[in-house]
Order: sequence, then C-alpha cells, then structure tokens
Amino acid sequence: QSALTQPPSASGSPGQSVTISCTGTSSDVGRYNFVSWYQQFPGKAPKLLIYEVTKRPSGVPDRFSGSKSGNTASLTISGLQAEDEAQYYCSSYAGGSILGVFGGGTKLTVL
Amino acid sequence: QLQVQESGPGLVKPSETLTLTCTVSGDSIRSGPYYWGWIRQPPGKGLEWIGSVYYGGTTYHNPSLKSRVTLSVDTSKKQFSLQVRSLTAADTAVYFCARHDYPYGLPTTHWGQGTLVTVSS
Repeated sequence: QSALTQPPSASGSPGQSVTISCTGTSSDVGRYNFVSWYQQFPGKAPKLLIYEVTKRPSGVPDRFSGSKSGNTASLTISGLQAEDEAQYYCSSYAGGSILGVFGGGTKLTVL
Repeated sequence: QLQVQESGPGLVKPSETLTLTCTVSGDSIRSGPYYWGWIRQPPGKGLEWIGSVYYGGTTYHNPSLKSRVTLSVDTSKKQFSLQVRSLTAADTAVYFCARHDYPYGLPTTHWGQGTLVTVSS
C-alpha cells in the first residue's frame, strides 16, 4: 500500500489562506470518506484536526477545514497565524484490514 | 482524562526483537468502539501505521510489516503491546501508542508522547 502524496512544503502570509493537498487513489481517498488530517510540532505527538474528510474535533478552530474531490483530499487553513507553522499529515482508510495509510507530510511555513 | 504511555528499550541490536508496551490510564481499555494502535516516525520522516488491536483481541496490521509484527492486549493490566522482530536500522523511529476513536482512517485523539527506539550494534 503506497503512501498518500502531499506536497513537501507550503507557505502563506499571516491572514491568508493556504490549502494542502493529499492525493491517493480510487482504492483509498477516492473510495472512502475516512480521511483525517493531523498537525505536528517538532518533538510532539500529532494532533487530530479533521476526521471523516470535513469534521472537526471539539476544540479545533473553524479556521481549519477539510474537503475532498475525487482521489484528492484537501486541508484549508484560513486566517493563517504564526502558530500554524507546523508539519501536516493526512491519512485515509484503504479498505479491508488496512486501517490507515499516511501521506508523507507537508511543512507549512508562515512567512 | 485518558492517557497512554509507551515503555520499552531505547536501544536494540540489529536482528533482535523489540517489545514495547503501552499502559492505559484514565479510562477502560475495554471501551468501545476504540482501537489501540501503534504508529512510528523515523527521525525527520513521516508517520507510518504499524498496526492496531481491539480489546477483544482482533488485530490489524500494515501489510508491509505484518510478517515481523505481533500485537497483543492484556485487559487485566490495561496494557497493549507491540513486538517487532528481525530489526534493522530502518526500524529506528519514534514509536507512538495511541487510541483511535474508531478504526477506519485511524482518527486518533489520544497519543502517547512517543519513545525513540534506536537499532544499532
């Protein structure tokens, strides 16, 4: 099972919006609405931002939103803040007993 | 407040077997529909799902690691464990234990702090 494809880096200025893509296949992202997004700071465990493509856990600001089109899921961060500078990962169910496959991660820089 | 905490050796030799244990506190390990899992992250690299286990014993594995991995759960001790056999340097990583909110797509709210395992002679 191949990892999902994310751009290695993304950037934006404070207040702007940035979108990070996560491309899979018709066997994972394209087939199931079980895509999650995580934020990770250096030396820390990941934090769940989005699950089931669009849902936010309690406490996650609504500046973070998720969507999906075909085999590509996206995470959009609006009103970018300096504290959003982190690594972002997507994951998707891949069917059967393959509960999850991760993307390679995207390093977000706030300019 | 649920907490999960990894424990195990920080250094293991190539070809040996790694055993890590995750201790659950603040909630029952029998709580459903939660699954208990292991995810690792090589230094400077991305996340990799290793496998997950349900308290009843059902296990799920990453196909790329399945032949070397054993997952188990001990509900009496509120622990679940990971064994990785035939270690190589490529297994050097921070190993996280976690509770998945449900299995599909691994939405995971609760993570351990992670433990660095180095495979070296």
